[in-house]
Amino acid sequence: SAVISQKPSRDICQRGTSLTIQCQVDSQVTMMFWYRQQPGQSLTLIATANQGSEATYESGFVIDKFPISRPNLTFSTLTVSNMSPEDSSIYLCSVGTGSSGNTIYFGEGSWLTVV
Amino acid sequence: GQQVMQIPQYQHVQEGEDFTTYCNSSTTLSNIQWYKQRPGGHPVFLIQLVKSGEVKKQKRLTFQFGEAKKNSSLHITATQTTDVGTYFCAGASNDYKLSFGAGTTVTVRA
Repeated sequence: SAVISQKPSRDICQRGTSLTIQCQVDSQVTMMFWYRQQPGQSLTLIATANQGSEATYESGFVIDKFPISRPNLTFSTLTVSNMSPEDSSIYLCSVGTGSSGNTIYFGEGSWLTVV
Repeated sequence: GQQVMQIPQYQHVQEGEDFTTYCNSSTTLSNIQWYKQRPGGHPVFLIQLVKSGEVKKQKRLTFQFGEAKKNSSLHITATQTTDVGTYFCAGASNDYKLSFGAGTTVTVRA
């Protein structure tokens, strides 16, 4: 499995500000995804990060709120824009591996609290 | 869209007892995966089931994929305190996206 590093691991953010989360993988991967896990909840897919093109967002998530970059096959960023307390969540970078690309491994997550 | 239902939401188990958590999908899956998340941690991949009727074991954990590839179960025997955490199933469709169940949060009383 790939080694996935996320930064920051935790942060406390002021309402109205934006924060960018970085995800670095130790090998080239085709599929990279960003998930959100709100307190006590399951995981929800935000978007698929596409290398060299715009991310593919899931229903309920938009680029203006969660801009994503993926400049190469080992790195991606997720920005949480204009944060509100409802954005307090764990944000998880993940990669797809395996022959079909859908065995998912997660980074350790970025735990954001918005005050 | 694809939905994965998981029950029970909570499982409080006496140490040494067995328990099972179940997942059911509204659509046929290409595969199903199981994850464990310890309190304060991130989800960790446990296993992937691909074939209809597949059964896989990892020590005290037995994973099963239904014949119709729409349901799955995780059975843990002789529960230990190290089994504490939330177990998620996640169903994969053919477009590589995972739909996660709500999770079963397991607590163990000694």
